[in-house]
Amino acid sequence: AQKITQTQPGMFVQEKEAVTLDCTYDTSDPSYGLFWYKQPSSGEMIFLIYQGSYDQQNATEGRYSLNFQKARKSANLVISASQLGDSAMYFCAMRRFYSSASKIIFGSGTRLSIRP
Amino acid sequence: GAVVSQHPSRVICKSGTSVKIECRSLDFQATTMFWYRQFPKQSLMLMATSNEGSKATYEQGVEKDKFLINHASLTLSTLTVTSAHPEDSSFYICSASGTAGRSNQPQHFGDGTRLSIL
Repeated sequence: AQKITQTQPGMFVQEKEAVTLDCTYDTSDPSYGLFWYKQPSSGEMIFLIYQGSYDQQNATEGRYSLNFQKARKSANLVISASQLGDSAMYFCAMRRFYSSASKIIFGSGTRLSIRP
Repeated sequence: GAVVSQHPSRVICKSGTSVKIECRSLDFQATTMFWYRQFPKQSLMLMATSNEGSKATYEQGVEKDKFLINHASLTLSTLTVTSAHPEDSSFYICSASGTAGRSNQPQHFGDGTRLSIL
């Protein structure tokens, strides 16, 4: 069975500092996709970054990068130069197989608060 | 980019009422849509997978007679909460995947529906 674990229920970070949000996963599938989503207090789910299990390089999207360590089954999100607008819930997620029609399961989330 | 529209954004109604929530893909065809439920300060819990033209696949523990899902076209899926009770109050959110089937396509989410049953 698949499982996503986020061990940090909440984090406080000073503005402009970098922050790492932890995510570990468990799956027996050889092919899978990993995602990070941001959910502000308004509720919408905002896609941040994607990493495929066969991707050789770590994914990057602007200030977001994904530290993918396949052997350790971890997919930590790194946010560089944090901003006040980064305060939100962050969810790590995994999709089984290489198909956009496969369901995605979510971790429990990390609430990130940026201090001015 | 791809957009998913969910309507209504908020519903307040009396116990016993049935409530229908719509999820539309605006600029792509969604062969598969997903319905999630989220309690306050918790993660998204997948309720069911909706495939166009076929019956929905419900997750274990989700009452299919309580949460009716219809996916009659490639751009619209509906979730009907039948005879809603206060314990059905929650945040419901849909997502959709396109037809290309590539692995790196993220699911696109609607903005969610906050359902409150009095």
